[in-house]
Amino acid sequence: AQSVTQPDIHITVSEGASLELRCNYSYGATPYLFWYVQSPGQGLQLLLKYFSGDTLVQGIKGFEAEFKRSQSSFNLRKPSVHWSDAAEYFCAVVRVQGAQKLVFGQGTRLTINP
Amino acid sequence: NAGVTQTPKFQVLKTGQSMTLQCAQDMNHNSMYWYRQDPGMGLRLIYYSASEGTTDKGEVPNGYNVSRLNKREFSLRLESAAPSQTSVYFCASSDPTPRSTFGSGTRLTVV
Repeated sequence: AQSVTQPDIHITVSEGASLELRCNYSYGATPYLFWYVQSPGQGLQLLLKYFSGDTLVQGIKGFEAEFKRSQSSFNLRKPSVHWSDAAEYFCAVVRVQGAQKLVFGQGTRLTINP
Repeated sequence: NAGVTQTPKFQVLKTGQSMTLQCAQDMNHNSMYWYRQDPGMGLRLIYYSASEGTTDKGEVPNGYNVSRLNKREFSLRLESAAPSQTSVYFCASSDPTPRSTFGSGTRLTVV
């Protein structure tokens, strides 16, 4: 079955520390890949996306993600987190062909220690 | 402001009551979606509409119906609400890229 897995339900990091959130997908072919962020009580905001080309993509708020085909992964990174980065992060995929339905991972809740 | 508008933002229903969640987008997108969000489960697709006049089931369609009224509007109906439908509901639309835009959500509690 096609799926998206975010292995870490909850991550806590200190302000100023680096961050990596993991995402793995299981699809027959490389899908389109996305990371969304959701602040408490808010909707979802697109951080970045990968469609093709350069496997390192830059997004908003200083985030980047690297697509690794051999590992079926699309991990999100940030060199130095800020208290405002505390939120829930969702990895999502869309099949390249057929109905364009977003399939989400379970989400990773990020807590920032001062 | 361009985007996806959902109404209402909050709703409390009694078991067995019915209600319709409204969604409208002004970005001229063909595709629209309804998701539910539950703790630890991410967002799961309930129904989607690839274009005006078409709708298809998603991952969790049971207990819901949808109507794609026109290109702008996509409504979600609960005919007989159950406590298991307590959730946060998100409407979204997407362009052909595909890039999705989400509404701010409807928090529904069924008691």
